Amino acid sequence: AQSVTQLGSHVSVSEGALVLLRCNYSSSVPPYLFWYVQYPNQGLQLLLKYTSAATLVKGINGFEAEFKKSETSFHLTKPSAHMSDAAEYFCAVSEGRTGNQFYFGTGTSLTVIP
Amino acid sequence: KAGVTQTPRYLIKTRGQQVTLSCSPISGHRSVSWYQQTPGQGLQFLFEYFSETQRNKGNFPGRFSGRQFSNSRSEMNVSTLELGDSALYLCASSLEGTGNTIYFGEGSWLTVV
Repeated sequence: AQSVTQLGSHVSVSEGALVLLRCNYSSSVPPYLFWYVQYPNQGLQLLLKYTSAATLVKGINGFEAEFKKSETSFHLTKPSAHMSDAAEYFCAVSEGRTGNQFYFGTGTSLTVIP
Repeated sequence: KAGVTQTPRYLIKTRGQQVTLSCSPISGHRSVSWYQQTPGQGLQFLFEYFSETQRNKGNFPGRFSGRQFSNSRSEMNVSTLELGDSALYLCASSLEGTGNTIYFGEGSWLTVV
């Protein structure tokens, strides 16, 4: 079975500072990895996706993530935080076999301090 | 292109009742999956349907069921509601194939009183 661990349920950064949200996964097969963002009272929106084409993946809103197989990590970063980045962020891994069963981390709530 | 549409958005039910939630996927998407989101348990996979057949199932009791219609629209049903079923129920759709992105609707907020 696959699993995802997000270190830090709450992260606070100052506006303009680096955002780093951590994600580690376990998988017995090459994984498909995703980051989603959830704003209050909304569903989840895709930020970016890793599918083995490149280890550094660029997503929307200036976010990017780097796949490191040796560390089984897929950390999300953004060079400069904006107030609008305040939201809940979820890392997810896809089963990658039959169908589309996703395993989600417990989420990290990002607060941006003005 | 319209996104994933879920109805109703909000509903309140009484313990012991049943509820049916509806999901219309993105046009062309034949895979529909359902997730339960709660503060304590996070996002948990309920089940996935493809071509009217349940293809994957999570670890939920039999009170949770679903179906998919020939037009790919899906419904999930929860019978004999319990207080712990209060949650945000999210539907997601995707294209066929492995590793595909799933696209979420805005969810149905269920409160059981």
